[in-house]
Amino acid sequence: NAGVMQNPRHLVRRRGQEARLRCSPMKGHSHVYWYRQLPEEGLKFMVYLQKENIIDESGMPKERFSAEFPKEGPSILRIQQVVRGDSAAYFCASSPDRDQPQHFGDGTRLSIL
Amino acid sequence: KQEVTQIPAALSVPEGENLVLNCSFTDSAIYNLQWFRQDPGKGLTSLLLIQSSQREQTSGRLNASLDKSSGRSTLYIAASQPGDSATYLCAVNSGYALNFGKGTSLLVTP
Repeated sequence: NAGVMQNPRHLVRRRGQEARLRCSPMKGHSHVYWYRQLPEEGLKFMVYLQKENIIDESGMPKERFSAEFPKEGPSILRIQQVVRGDSAAYFCASSPDRDQPQHFGDGTRLSIL
Repeated sequence: KQEVTQIPAALSVPEGENLVLNCSFTDSAIYNLQWFRQDPGKGLTSLLLIQSSQREQTSGRLNASLDKSSGRSTLYIAASQPGDSATYLCAVNSGYALNFGKGTSLLVTP
């Protein structure tokens, strides 16, 4: 009974490159959430998705960031033209319904050179 | 906007002590409150979830209470062990997005 799977665990990019972070939710979970943890700060909500739909992206920067959760395959968080300030740990969580406990993956640590 | 505060920011106790971690939130209109544990370089492990209609939840040596009207929750850890050393996070669900505190970093010394 695998948990939430995120890959890669660590990702290094140079300024201006693209970063793609993947998240496979727990089996039976159709609700996916992305959070970002900046150094010395708490986790902040970015985006909430259900299969093929973005429900709330109010926590995601308007430019360069996008997220999807296709009918088949993992959820993807995409960051275009990365900058140093994008360096953070990005966590994905999933739940079977919106008011059920969220289960977290181990995160992707993104470093920008 | 929901603000979540955790006190203390760091705590060091000898093994065997009972301890209390505190969490406060500004908006009492919540669905539930969740306590997590985070180990260095790892993800979050859910410890306890309290629905807004509940007053407390227990799991083993852990007990979490919720006073929604005063905007407070406590996590009680009995008979602490070195393996309990980690950062403990409080998260409030006011819709679906979790609002996190900055955590309490706990060190239990042998």
